[in-house]
Amino acid sequence: QMQLQESGPGPVKPSETLSLTCIVSGGSISGDDYYWGWIRQPPGKGLEWVGTIHRSGTTYYSASLKSRITISVDTSKGQFSLELRSVTAADTALYYCARRPPYSSPPDMAFDIWGQGALVSVSS
Amino acid sequence: QSVLTQPPSVSAAPGQMVAISCSGGSSNIGSSYVSWYRQVPGTAPKLLIYDNNKRPSGIPDRFSGSKSGTSATLGITGLQTGDEADYYCGTWDNSLSTGVFGGGTKLTVL
Repeated sequence: QMQLQESGPGPVKPSETLSLTCIVSGGSISGDDYYWGWIRQPPGKGLEWVGTIHRSGTTYYSASLKSRITISVDTSKGQFSLELRSVTAADTALYYCARRPPYSSPPDMAFDIWGQGALVSVSS
Repeated sequence: QSVLTQPPSVSAAPGQMVAISCSGGSSNIGSSYVSWYRQVPGTAPKLLIYDNNKRPSGIPDRFSGSKSGTSATLGITGLQTGDEADYYCGTWDNSLSTGVFGGGTKLTVL
């Protein structure tokens, strides 16, 4: 059973860079035709898609965050990562990593396996 | 302000059915596949429906999805108290070139 686990720094200061890693276990990050995504949820609010990466390294970024984010994949380590630069309080959220299944049809927002989420707080 | 519009809340009695709507436009729902999620507070979202009307393995047939034009609907029959949660629709917006979610609907089973 594939599982995802986010790891990150916790609190981040304004203007700094937020870095999160998602470790994939119980299966290969390179297997099938998986895409891997980041979705965030500010406290008490709804879901916001951040970006998605294919195992090949092809990326798709949120239009509103595109200038500040980089998503990368390290197939040798079985993990993918998110960097969000120049953070502000508005970036405070629970950040989820998730897998887009190979059986769904693009373009879509289908994610079938999720991590438990990593809370990132931006505060001075 | 979400690109996709969902009612903030819906309610129904146990055993009844409920429909949750998701309204968008030609650039998103009208031209992309819709997914639906259930999120119990404090837990990660769970995929209920993908490709407008398909259920992942393990999702009971009490849950159904449909799409017509620029709107989509999640149907839940045989409501149980355990169905109380927030429900989100999601799809791709071809004009914005970005993934979008609805604002979420809180389901209360009275």
